[in-house]
Amino acid sequence: QVQLQESGPGLVKPSETLSLTCTVSGGSISRYYWSWIRQPPGKGLEWIGYLYYGGSTNYNPSLKSRVTISVDTSKNHFSLRLSSVTAADTAVYYCARGAEAAGLDYWGQGTLVTVSS
Amino acid sequence: QSVLTQPPSASGTPGQRVTISCSGSSSSIGSNYVYWYQQLPGTAPKLLIYRNNQRPSGVPDRFSDSKSVTSASLAISGLRSEDEADYYCAAWDDSLSGVIFGGGTKLTVL
Repeated sequence: QVQLQESGPGLVKPSETLSLTCTVSGGSISRYYWSWIRQPPGKGLEWIGYLYYGGSTNYNPSLKSRVTISVDTSKNHFSLRLSSVTAADTAVYYCARGAEAAGLDYWGQGTLVTVSS
Repeated sequence: QSVLTQPPSASGTPGQRVTISCSGSSSSIGSNYVYWYQQLPGTAPKLLIYRNNQRPSGVPDRFSDSKSVTSASLAISGLRSEDEADYYCAAWDDSLSGVIFGGGTKLTVL
């Protein structure tokens, strides 16, 4: 059974870089879309971007200038970096896997990241 | 910005059939598959429907979807109290070259 687990700081200062890692167990990082999605408190889901097997990436245009998604296959994890954060980036961040970009069948439990000084 | 539009709320009584709509555009629903997610309170979203009314293992056949041009609908029959959750539609958008989510519909079982 594939499991995903997000990890990283729960508090980030404004203007700094948010960094999260998603560790995959029960399967290898291959042949799928490995995605990041976020959900501000009390609001809906927002797609951040994905990394596809082979290394190609695709990001939400509204975040593209600040986002990097990368993979470390030796550690079976992929990561999210979001630079120059503001309070508007406060959200629960989820990592997820899908056979299709919009069809995500495995999700992590999510991790709350608060941007505050 | 491309969007998928859902009603903010829906409700029904146990045993009823309810539907949740998702309105998109020619570049999203009109050209691509629609996916539906269920998010129970305090949990991660769960894939409910994919690729033309396909259900992942474990999702009951009480859940189904339909699509018409640039809109889609999720139907839940035999409504149960455990169906009370937020429901999101999602699709690939060719104009955005990315994934878009609907704003979500909060389903209340009365």
